[in-house]
Amino acid sequence: DQQVKQNSPSLSVQEGRISILNCDYTNSMFDYFLWYKKYPAEGPTFLISISSIKDKNEDGRFTVFLNKSAKHLSLHIVPSQPGDSAVYFCAASGSQGAQKLVFGQGTRLTINP
Amino acid sequence: SQTIHQWPATLVQPVGSPLSLECTVEGTSNPNLYWYRQAAGRGLQLLFYSVGIGQISSEVPQNLSASRPQDRQFILSSKKLLLSDSGFYLCAGDKGVSSGNTEAFFGQGTRLTVV
Repeated sequence: DQQVKQNSPSLSVQEGRISILNCDYTNSMFDYFLWYKKYPAEGPTFLISISSIKDKNEDGRFTVFLNKSAKHLSLHIVPSQPGDSAVYFCAASGSQGAQKLVFGQGTRLTINP
Repeated sequence: SQTIHQWPATLVQPVGSPLSLECTVEGTSNPNLYWYRQAAGRGLQLLFYSVGIGQISSEVPQNLSASRPQDRQFILSSKKLLLSDSGFYLCAGDKGVSSGNTEAFFGQGTRLTVV
């Protein structure tokens, strides 16, 4: 039962353009969402998060959008840079109960020069 | 800041041999701790979750087990490894959403190859 889904395993974007990574979730108890970036053979690093009381959070080139009714969130990177090439994981957590962090399958983003 | 030390970084083990991966946490107390596995071509799969000493939740049936003998120590074990156990194992921790600190912190991972 995949509660957090990233349906695009890979994405290629031209340098300077916008990268949009998508994530869907099924558990309505999730109310906190995070994006992580991962390079090969390293642990993920935190990028940006959003609480369910907001629909947008921005940090520099990274913006996360949350659509609660659609149970969908997206990460926008603009402008995309070669160093952004990595695997991006969407994660979700609930503020009640076990609060465990559940990850999506990841999307491999490649930025082409 | 919180830090997770995880070792070894790489490990090659024969089929049927035992496994013990350990991670320790610094910089915080009473964290939630997790073991994840990333198999080739797949995402991060949650294996085990612990909210405290001796408290382990298993997320997927498998021949692996986990233990938390101390607040800042989390161990992943197997009595007999299978070829399908190969993958990249990550130890992670967080303080839970209710603490106000929602970021998870990760170890550097262990690449396990079962031969």
